[in-house]
Amino acid sequence: AIRITQSPSSLSASTGDRVTITCRASQGISSYLAWYQQKPGKAPKLLIYAASTLQSGVPSRFSGSGSGTDFTLTISCLQSEDFATYYCQQYYSYPPTFGGGTKVEIK
Amino acid sequence: EVQLVESGGGLVQPGGSLRLSCAASGFTFSSYAMHWVRQAPGKGLEYVSAISSNGGSTYYANSVKGRFTISRDNSKNTLYLQMGSLRAEDMAVYYCARSIVGATMAFDYWGQGTLVTVSS
Repeated sequence: AIRITQSPSSLSASTGDRVTITCRASQGISSYLAWYQQKPGKAPKLLIYAASTLQSGVPSRFSGSGSGTDFTLTISCLQSEDFATYYCQQYYSYPPTFGGGTKVEIK
Repeated sequence: EVQLVESGGGLVQPGGSLRLSCAASGFTFSSYAMHWVRQAPGKGLEYVSAISSNGGSTYYANSVKGRFTISRDNSKNTLYLQMGSLRAEDMAVYYCARSIVGATMAFDYWGQGTLVTVSS
């Protein structure tokens, strides 16, 4: 299975900050990467797929980049509703695998 | 509005069985591959199983292969997960999820989840 290493595992930030989360795949996955946001007690929500395609309804402050093995999720101006845990997921091959998650907390 | 509603979770003893259901509405269920993803308490997301739109193809993670069976009834717009020989490590919230069109193994809609507790 393809391993996904996500970093950092947690970060503290303030409203208005620019936040970057990275994922590295153990082998090339082209652009077959998605990002999800999960709030406590809730299901994950799709933010980005195909590495950089914003899901309908997701605010434009979220963006994704990368291809091959290295990927980035950027939140350009952190809002209060963005405090959550973020997961990346590769869907290049079975089984789909997830990064370990990044918890974004209020500083 | 797309909705996925899981049910069937609960407390089960080690070695026991349980069947989860996921009722779908708001889209043409028979056109989409569907999946189960689980999350152990306080842990990350783990992929469990997939089924093609017509039910003809299935996939299982190694951790559940031979113990879980995924199925669907397109006439009832319902996805199932039959779980057997349950172990403590199967305890988790189980989510059903819909494939993104053109990206079979990425998920654009998720249910709210149903909790499976494995304990004696």
